[in-house]
Amino acid sequence: AQSVTQPDIHITVSEGASLELRCNYSYGATPYLFWYVQSPGQGLQLLLKYFSGDTLVQGIKGFEAEFKRSQSSFNLRKPSVHWSDAAEYFCAVGSGGYQKVTFGTGTKLQVIP
Amino acid sequence: GAGVSQTPSNKVTEKGKYVELRCDPISGHTALYWYRQSLGQGPEFLIYFQGTGAADDSGLPNDRFFAVRPEGSVSTLKIQRTERGDSAVYLCASSTTGSGEQFFGPGTRLTVL
Repeated sequence: AQSVTQPDIHITVSEGASLELRCNYSYGATPYLFWYVQSPGQGLQLLLKYFSGDTLVQGIKGFEAEFKRSQSSFNLRKPSVHWSDAAEYFCAVGSGGYQKVTFGTGTKLQVIP
Repeated sequence: GAGVSQTPSNKVTEKGKYVELRCDPISGHTALYWYRQSLGQGPEFLIYFQGTGAADDSGLPNDRFFAVRPEGSVSTLKIQRTERGDSAVYLCASSTTGSGEQFFGPGTRLTVL
């Protein structure tokens, strides 16, 4: 069965600092990988996805993620965090076809001035 | 265009009561998904519709949960004999077949007293 581990429940970074959120997945075949962001009172929004091809994926809001098959990881990065990035971030893995998606437990990001 | 909408946004009910949660997907999206998000957890897959039929209902926790999509558009998640453990945010998402990207609604927060 597919699964996702986000080892960091809560992360605090200073505005302007770089960010890396960790994600490890378990899946038997080539995974479909996603990062979503959830702000209070908002629906989940897709930041980026990896299906195949280039292992460095660019997303919205200046985020990127790198797929590393050897490490079963799909870490999310941003070079300079803005206060508006404070939210909860979910990594997810999907199986093929209709995309039955399994989410991690999330990492809550706090941004301090 | 309009996104996925869900009604009501909040629902408070008493243990043992019946509730219905509604999802209006993005127009033209043939795939529809229901997820449940408990406090401190990521969304958990419940059921997937392709058109009018439930293609995968393996995530429904028990037979108190049922969902329909009679005309291939609006979907209703029905919960019978609610229990306190059913308290969660119920998320709906829709997608075009095969695109992979699911667009999420804002969710319905269900509280069972």
